[in-house]
Amino acid sequence: KAGVTQTPRYLIKTRGQQVTLSCSPISGHRSVSWYQQTPGQGLQFLFEYFSETQRNKGNFPGRFSGRQFSNSRSEMNVSTLELGDSALYLCASSLGWGAQETQYFGPGTRLLVL
Amino acid sequence: AQKVTQAQTEISVVEKEDVTLDCVYETRDTTYYLFWYKQPPSGELVFLIRRNSFDEQNEISGRYSWNFQKSTSSFNFTITASQVVDSAVYFCALSEGDRTDSWGKLQFGAGTQVVVTP
Repeated sequence: KAGVTQTPRYLIKTRGQQVTLSCSPISGHRSVSWYQQTPGQGLQFLFEYFSETQRNKGNFPGRFSGRQFSNSRSEMNVSTLELGDSALYLCASSLGWGAQETQYFGPGTRLLVL
Repeated sequence: AQKVTQAQTEISVVEKEDVTLDCVYETRDTTYYLFWYKQPPSGELVFLIRRNSFDEQNEISGRYSWNFQKSTSSFNFTITASQVVDSAVYFCALSEGDRTDSWGKLQFGAGTQVVVTP
């Protein structure tokens, strides 16, 4: 089975621009979660989608948004980019929605904001 | 407040030595799950193990073993006879289960960098 895939793998943007990141979950997985990883803040939860509905959201400003499609693929969008948004963005998929679900991670998208 | 604490920032060992990574968690939930992930330099988090709050049995998988103790809120991870390929950052994570507004959210520790030299 193919793992979680994320595109693009690398991105360079300038302040004020917006960016869209894509995540394709493992086949059969219906839940997708997004995380931001930075050296200063570590791994932080952004949001989680299950059955095209956002179920939970972390403490991030409204500039960060996401959605999930009927095939479980997910996108996240960051508008009005700031320098502090430079990070590794990781997507994870799991079979269903619940605390017991094991999340399997993709390789990440490395975003650099100049 | 940090719910998962990994006090060791970096551990350096020589190949074949054992290394133990500490993880202390904090939660008021009755139902919760603990995870360990490995992050090699490539960046992808690799799942290693999941334990639930009702099962305190220790687990061994090859050279890896885990010790879960609810009394001390700890979930420690030992690599026996370390190898160079074990060099990576290891993360402990908590998933709380009593309320649905916590579901799907992994809370990670800061990670421990393990460096294994030949």
